[in-house]
Amino acid sequence: EVQLVQSGAEVKKPGESLKITCQGSGYFFTSSWIGWVRQMPGRGLEWMGIIYPMDSDTRFSPAFEGHVSISADTSISTAYLQWSSLKASDTAIYYCARVRADCTPATCRAGAFDIWGQGTMVTVSS
Amino acid sequence: EIVLTQSPGTLSLSPGERATLSCRASQSVSNSYVAWYQQRPGQAPRLLIYGASSRATGIPDRFSGYGSGTDFTLIISRLEPEDFAVYYCQQYGSPPPYTFGQGTTLEIK
Repeated sequence: EVQLVQSGAEVKKPGESLKITCQGSGYFFTSSWIGWVRQMPGRGLEWMGIIYPMDSDTRFSPAFEGHVSISADTSISTAYLQWSSLKASDTAIYYCARVRADCTPATCRAGAFDIWGQGTMVTVSS
Repeated sequence: EIVLTQSPGTLSLSPGERATLSCRASQSVSNSYVAWYQQRPGQAPRLLIYGASSRATGIPDRFSGYGSGTDFTLIISRLEPEDFAVYYCQQYGSPPPYTFGQGTTLEIK
């Protein structure tokens, strides 16, 4: 079974650092982009960024670039979302999701999110 | 960055009825690279449709999608009780970010 399992809920103070994890199984982790999506309380989905684990090629939304980092460890099929200094406005559920490849005869590109993790609730409060 | 606008914001229907959800892009989405997701309360989103009209694995055929250019539609032909949820469209036709719409809430009338 293809699945993504995320780390558990976190409660942090403003200014603290945090790294949350997303472990993939049941598929070739290195050869699929994997991404992160934010959902603030009562709000919609926000696309944060994606990483290609094989070469760590990373693409960010301008709204998140510089505030979070995305990385991956292929030896344990795990992707990471990391903050060096949390803000109260980072309080949200964070989902990781596998990106399916959309292919034409000429090329393949990153597409929709086809497998989702269960989400990690991050609460930042003083 | 492509902005997606979904309408209506809330749709109130009864089981058995047909639901039509709209997603309009601020500029043309290349190759109709639009996806639709369903999110039930307390759950992660689930991919329904990709490439504007292709159903994802395991998705019932009462869900269908179509559209091109800037206008895309998700149709649920006969609503089941489990279909009442929030639906999001997403485009991935331009360089990242692959933006989402703001969502349509489908509620029981």
